[in-house]
Amino acid sequence: QKEVEQNSGPLSVPEGAIASLNCTYSDRGSQSFFWYRQYSGKSPELIMSIYSNGDKEDGRFTAQLNKASQYVSLLIRDSQPSDSATYLCAVNLSGGYNKLIFGAGTRLAVHP
Amino acid sequence: ETGVTQTPRHLVMGMTNKKSLKCEQHLGHNAMYWYKQSAKKPLELMFVYNFKEQTENNSVPSRFSPECPNSSHLFLHLHTLQPEDSALYLCASSQVAADTQYFGPGTRLTVL
Repeated sequence: QKEVEQNSGPLSVPEGAIASLNCTYSDRGSQSFFWYRQYSGKSPELIMSIYSNGDKEDGRFTAQLNKASQYVSLLIRDSQPSDSATYLCAVNLSGGYNKLIFGAGTRLAVHP
Repeated sequence: ETGVTQTPRHLVMGMTNKKSLKCEQHLGHNAMYWYKQSAKKPLELMFVYNFKEQTENNSVPSRFSPECPNSSHLFLHLHTLQPEDSALYLCASSQVAADTQYFGPGTRLTVL
C-alpha cells in the first residue's frame, strides 16, 4: 500500500514566524511532488510542485525535496493569518500508475 | 468560464433519487478525475479518465457511475445512494495523468 504521511496538526505558529510542514512517502520511485492548500469548505489549490532534490522557492513558500530520505517539506516564511488552512502533500505513483496519492493534510493555524 | 467548473455546488437528495454531477474543464487538459472528501478524511480518488478512457476505478460502488463524453466534460451519475455517501465531491483535471492537478470548487452532497 503506497502511502503519504503527514502530521495532522494543528500546527500553531505566531504571525511573522516560519511554518514548517512535513511529508513522507513510501513509493521510492515517485518523481513528482505537490503541495496544495485547502481552506475549510473549499477545494484544494495548488501552491508548489517540485521534481528535483533540493529547494524550490516561490515568494514566501519554499518546497524542499530529499528523495533519498523520501521526504518533502513546505516552508512558509512570514506566516500570515490568511495562511491558516490545511496543507495537502501529494505524490505521484511510479510504475505506470496514472494518479497522485494525497496525504491527509496538516492543519496550520497562524495566530496574530 | 475559466479553470474547472462544477455544477451543482450543493445537492440534497434522497436515497431513492437519481442525480448527476457535472464537471467541465477549460484548460485544454487530457485527464480528468473524481475525488470524494468526507469530513476529517483524506481525499479519496474515485475515477481517472485519460483521453476519455477510464484508466482507474478505485473500487467505487456501482451506485456511482462516471461518464466522460470528451476530454473537457466529466459526469458522475448517482443512484440509490446511502447517507454515508454525503461528502464533498471534487473534480480535477491535468494535462496528462499524474501531472499537476487543478481542482474545481466541488459539489457538497447530502444524502438524506
